Formats: sequence, structure tokens, C-alpha cells
Amino acid sequence: DSGVTQTPKHLITATGQRVTLRCSPRSGDLSVYWYQQSLDQGLQFLIQYYNGEERAKGNILERFSAQQFPDLHSELNLSSLELGDSALYFCASSLRTVSEQFFGPGTRLTVL
Amino acid sequence: AQKVTQAQTEISVVEKEDVTLDCVYETRDTTYYLFWYKQPPSGELVFLIRRNSFDEQNEISGRYSWNFQKSTSSFNFTITASQVVDSAVYFCALRRNNAGNMLTFGGGTRLMVKP
Repeated sequence: DSGVTQTPKHLITATGQRVTLRCSPRSGDLSVYWYQQSLDQGLQFLIQYYNGEERAKGNILERFSAQQFPDLHSELNLSSLELGDSALYFCASSLRTVSEQFFGPGTRLTVL
Repeated sequence: AQKVTQAQTEISVVEKEDVTLDCVYETRDTTYYLFWYKQPPSGELVFLIRRNSFDEQNEISGRYSWNFQKSTSSFNFTITASQVVDSAVYFCALRRNNAGNMLTFGGGTRLMVKP
């Protein structure tokens, strides 16, 4: 158990819908990262937050957004969902930006 | 641009065999970090090791060992006397040493250890 929690574990929704994925980092970790794992794209970095502020952005679609709240938990919002958004979404956390990242169990999103 | 290549998509071995998973990376940075993660069938990503670019010493942890060679841009992972529980997908990853801490992952190698 890495200490990073993600909810929900599974999510099934329809195209065009909007969902919110939630992540609680390990106790004391200030940095949160979101990654997407899909069959065709592999594991891709989406976005990073450090102590509430966006720190880095990767291949994140405009339909996706994220934020980190004062209690350091983070949410990833996915809107206007398409079939291709079906993937495993991981959250990771680290103490500082240079520390190793510990991953949560992931949220499996299925868009029908 | 950074890139990590794991040329072996699938490896199948019999229990107790030794197996090496290859990782080749590309970066223009002089300072960077390399990682290995394990993804068992349950799906989570488990951190195995971090190596910085200035430390080329090989590392051993139990049955696991890592060989970092800057000259060939490789960071290979060897499992000695493999066990069924080692069956998983293994990912090699690269991280720059600057603002932002994003990991660039390789495509992963699926290791199947048969009894």
C-alpha cells in the first residue's frame, strides 16, 4: 500500500458525460501528479500540482482539468467524454518535486 | 525530447531462471533520474528503484539488480532466480532534473514466470 488513495476504483459512463476523479496524497506529500494509462498511448503524464499550484503540464486535453485543494487532495475533471478516454488514471504523490513518486491504485474509466 | 525504449514487449521464463529487462533512454540533459516500476496484475504501480545520472554504481536488492551504463544510455534490470510472483509488467522511466517532476515511461515489458 503506497498510502495514495484514489476514488472511485471503477467508473462506467457514457460519451459526452463529465466525471471527477479524486486523489488523496500520502501524508506529508505536497506534490500530486496525474497519469493516464491506455492501450494505445501507454503511460502518459497529464499534469502536476505542488502545494496547490500547477507546476507542469503534459499531454492533457483541453477537455480535462485538475486542481489541488488546500488540504492537498486533488481532483481530475474529464468532460465531453469520448470512447478514447477509456483508460486507467493514476494519481501519484511525492514529498518534493525531486522525490520519487508513489502511485495510487488507479481509477479505471470506461466510456461506453 | 526525452524517450525511453523497452524493446522487449513480452518475456516468458520458467521459474528459477534469471531474466534481464532492457531499458534504453534518450535525453539531452546531463542530470536526470531513472526509475523502474512494477505493475502486477492487480494494476497498481510499485516503485522499485531510483538512480541519478551521476551514480553509475550497480545496485542489488535481494534477487533484483540494476545495471546503469551511461555510455550506452541503458538501465537494465535483472531478476535472479525468478518466481511466479515476479509476473508483472515492468516499466522503466526517466525524469529531468528541473522544474516539474514528470516521468517519461517506456512502453513496459510484460514478464511471465511459469512454474
